[in-house]
Amino acid sequence: GENVEQHPSTLSVQEGDSAVIKCTYSDSASNYFPWYKQELGKRPQLIIDIRSNVGEKKDQRIAVTLNKTAKHFSLHITETQPEDSAVYFCAAKFDSGAGSYQLTFGKGTKLSVIP
Amino acid sequence: DSGVTQTPKHLITATGQRVTLRCSPRSGDLSVYWYQQSLDQGLQFLIQYYNGEERAKGNILERFSAQQFPDLHSELNLSSLELGDSALYFCASSPTVAGELFFGEGSRLTVL
Repeated sequence: GENVEQHPSTLSVQEGDSAVIKCTYSDSASNYFPWYKQELGKRPQLIIDIRSNVGEKKDQRIAVTLNKTAKHFSLHITETQPEDSAVYFCAAKFDSGAGSYQLTFGKGTKLSVIP
Repeated sequence: DSGVTQTPKHLITATGQRVTLRCSPRSGDLSVYWYQQSLDQGLQFLIQYYNGEERAKGNILERFSAQQFPDLHSELNLSSLELGDSALYFCASSPTVAGELFFGEGSRLTVL
């Protein structure tokens, strides 16, 4: 099955600095890569996603880049704010057979933004 | 509010017992997924249903089973519970088999 590696597991940045989280995946057929944010004690929520036909996508202070050749994708958060503190999960969609797909998640990155 | 409802929110039980977790997907969503999140762990995929049929299985133990009913709600049954089964169990739904996942608030299971 698909394997998704996520680094780093923890990340501390000063408020206003940028944060970068990187993921690699194993299935070259994967074509959908979402990022979820999970605040303490809450459910994961989609913050941005990218499909394999584009190399970069931006939404205000958040951007995701995809390198299909190297099979890695990254989340970039600029001008970080304390409310960005959370656990971020990357994921990759892969074909689990019989026309079914599933999302495999990385182990998460705990981001702490220091005021 | 994601529109996905999970009950119960919290459950405390003893080893060897059996529990059932319930999930109602967003209106119109046909796919339901179950994930397990242990302390400081990521989201481990358990099982997926689409319109009542099992579509994919992940690392789901034989002691665990699930089903999706005609009204599209789903139940995850956990039996012969062990201490290590203590975790947050999330249900998620999506309109297709490969769309964005909308997570419920989770059911926190504590096995004593």
